[in-house]
Amino acid sequence: EAQVTQNPRYLITVTGKKLTVTCSQNMNHEYMSWYRQDPGLGLRQIYYSMNVEVTDKGDVPEGYKVSRKEKRNFPLILESPSPNQTSLYFCASSFLGQTYGYTFGSGTRLTVV
Amino acid sequence: AQKITQTQPGMFVQEKEAVTLDCTYDTSDPSYGLFWYKQPSSGEMIFLIYQGSYDQQNATEGRYSLNFQKARKSANLVISASQLGDSAMYFCAMREWGTGNQFYFGTGTSLTVIP
Repeated sequence: EAQVTQNPRYLITVTGKKLTVTCSQNMNHEYMSWYRQDPGLGLRQIYYSMNVEVTDKGDVPEGYKVSRKEKRNFPLILESPSPNQTSLYFCASSFLGQTYGYTFGSGTRLTVV
Repeated sequence: AQKITQTQPGMFVQEKEAVTLDCTYDTSDPSYGLFWYKQPSSGEMIFLIYQGSYDQQNATEGRYSLNFQKARKSANLVISASQLGDSAMYFCAMREWGTGNQFYFGTGTSLTVIP
């Protein structure tokens, strides 16, 4: 089944404890991206990648890191999480081109206390 | 300037009635795609419908249709015969060819279907 697998679904952590949210797609998509969703703010892009070893900042990259060592994987790293990073996070992937929409992962609800 | 504007934070519709969710966009790129996604309370993002900038006809997918008015830069989603399961958050999105294939999302419209 074509899908974006995102883990974990739920995570509660403490301030400052490094964490990684994994994202993997099996559709050979070039483009991968991370978003955070907060009430009233919609989806805001954190980072994106147009291919292996190519990553770029989105609208809200502060406090996050990513890497794209393989085409299928695009992990999101929070080196020192803070409470303002409590949010719903989505990984998404697609082929390049304006006719292609995203396939989204199922989301990660992160709470930083 | 906002690339995608959804002016209706919340909407209510009676079951079996039709409803229109508004979306306007801003682009100078002649090549772009417009998308609608549904997010039910369970949280996942579900693709609904796509419209290309060069498409002459409005897109339709079952009970969903996209009212594409290019000159007005609007891409409204029409849901016919609303069902209780249509209660969800709806996001309009645009993808441009020229700006590195970037996606732009609106802030969403929360639709509630009343029995």
